[in-house]
Amino acid sequence: GQNIDQPTEMTATEGAIVQINCTYQTSGFNGLFWYQQHAGEAPTFLSYNVLDGLEEKGRFSSFLSRSKGYSYLLLKELQMKDSASYLCAVRSPWGNYQLIWGAGTKLIIKP
Amino acid sequence: EAQVTQNPRYLITVTGKKLTVTCSQNMNHEYMSWYRQDPGLGLRQIYYSMNVEVTDKGDVPEGYKVSRKEKRNFPLILESPSPNQTSLYFCASRGTGGTNSPLHFGNGTRLTVT
Repeated sequence: GQNIDQPTEMTATEGAIVQINCTYQTSGFNGLFWYQQHAGEAPTFLSYNVLDGLEEKGRFSSFLSRSKGYSYLLLKELQMKDSASYLCAVRSPWGNYQLIWGAGTKLIIKP
Repeated sequence: EAQVTQNPRYLITVTGKKLTVTCSQNMNHEYMSWYRQDPGLGLRQIYYSMNVEVTDKGDVPEGYKVSRKEKRNFPLILESPSPNQTSLYFCASRGTGGTNSPLHFGNGTRLTVT
C-alpha cells in the first residue's frame, strides 16, 4: 500500500528551530514535495527533493533519504507567520506522476 | 498575475441540487486536477486532466464529474450532492517543465451540503 506519515501537530517557540518529519512507504518514488498551507488557504510550494541530501532555501531546508523513506523540513528563526500546516507529498514514477499526500503537520508558533 | 481561480469560495446547498465549481488558470498549463481536503486526511484527488478532452479518475471520483473543453477551464460538477461531499475543494494546475514542476492551487471552495 501507499502510506505517508507525518506528526499531526507540533509546537515551537518564535525564533527557534523546528524539524518536521515525513516517512513514506510507496510502491515507487519520483520526488518529494513540501507545501505550506495556512488555515483555510491554498497550499503553496516550498521545496522539492529527488536526490538524497539537503536542499536549502533561506530559512527553510528539506532533507531526503531515499533508502530510509524519510524526509524532513527544517525551519529556522521561526516567525509567527510560520504557523501553518506543512504537507509532505511523494510523486509516483508511473503514469501521470500523481502525488500521494500526507495528512499534514499543524505547526503552532508561540511567542 | 499567474494564478488559478476558483469560484465560488463558499457554497451552501441542499442534497440533490446540482452544482458546478469553476476553475480557470492563466498559465497555459496542460495538467489540471481537483482535490478534496478533509480534517485528518491528506489531499485526495478526485479527477485530473492531462490536456483538453483528456480526463481521468483520481482516488475518490464517485459522485463527481469534470470536463475539459478548453485548456484554461476545468469545472467540477456535482450532479446530486450529498452531505458526505461537504468538504474543502481545491483545483490545481501544473506546467510541463519536468517532474519537479509544482502544483499551483486555487484558493479553495468550501462546500456544505445539508
